[in-house]
Amino acid sequence: QVQLVQSGGGVVQPGRSLRLSCAASGFTFSHYGMHWVRQAPGKGLEWVAVIWYDGSNKYYADSVKGRFTISRDNSKNTLFLQVNSLRAEDTAVFYCARGGSGSVWNLDYWGQGTLVTVSS
Amino acid sequence: QSALTQPPSASGSPGQSVAISCTGTSSDVGGYNYVSWYQQHPGKAPKLIIYEVSKRPSGVPDRFSGSKSGNTASLTVSGLQAEDEADYYCSSYAGSNNFVFGAGTKVTVL
Repeated sequence: QVQLVQSGGGVVQPGRSLRLSCAASGFTFSHYGMHWVRQAPGKGLEWVAVIWYDGSNKYYADSVKGRFTISRDNSKNTLFLQVNSLRAEDTAVFYCARGGSGSVWNLDYWGQGTLVTVSS
Repeated sequence: QSALTQPPSASGSPGQSVAISCTGTSSDVGGYNYVSWYQQHPGKAPKLIIYEVSKRPSGVPDRFSGSKSGNTASLTVSGLQAEDEADYYCSSYAGSNNFVFGAGTKVTVL
């Protein structure tokens, strides 16, 4: 079965960096685009970024452009999100999600989420 | 990209139907058939329940249905059950490789 297992969250000071990981199993990872989505405490979902199945294209929400970098290692079936210059407003649960077989814009499976808390 | 507009809350008694709207613009909901709906229970990850406006993933009950008219998409939950109490989010492709979610609707089963 499809599984996305996330790691890498934690408490980090403002201005610092963190790398989030999402390990995929149960499907051919290299055939699917992947997304990151975040959810601030008590708030709604916010799309963060998408990466094409082969890593050839990456697109970001305006709110994170220039600070966050999405990447993937298809040899290790793992998706990453490098988050730099963190701000208090970046505090959120970050989810990875698979772009579905019909279209990369159908987010059909989600990881369990990992909490990033930005605080001094 | 502004969030799609959803009512903050909706409710219904067991067995009844509830409909949730998701209003965007011609640049997102109205322009593409990549509208999805997600169900999220407290403390859990979202779950895809409708994609491409009206398609249901395998395993999702047919009590859940989706539609779209112009710039507004809708999710209908028929035969409401206690386990349907959750937050529901719509999403849409917004062109130029952008993607947007709705603000979310809390569904309460009375």
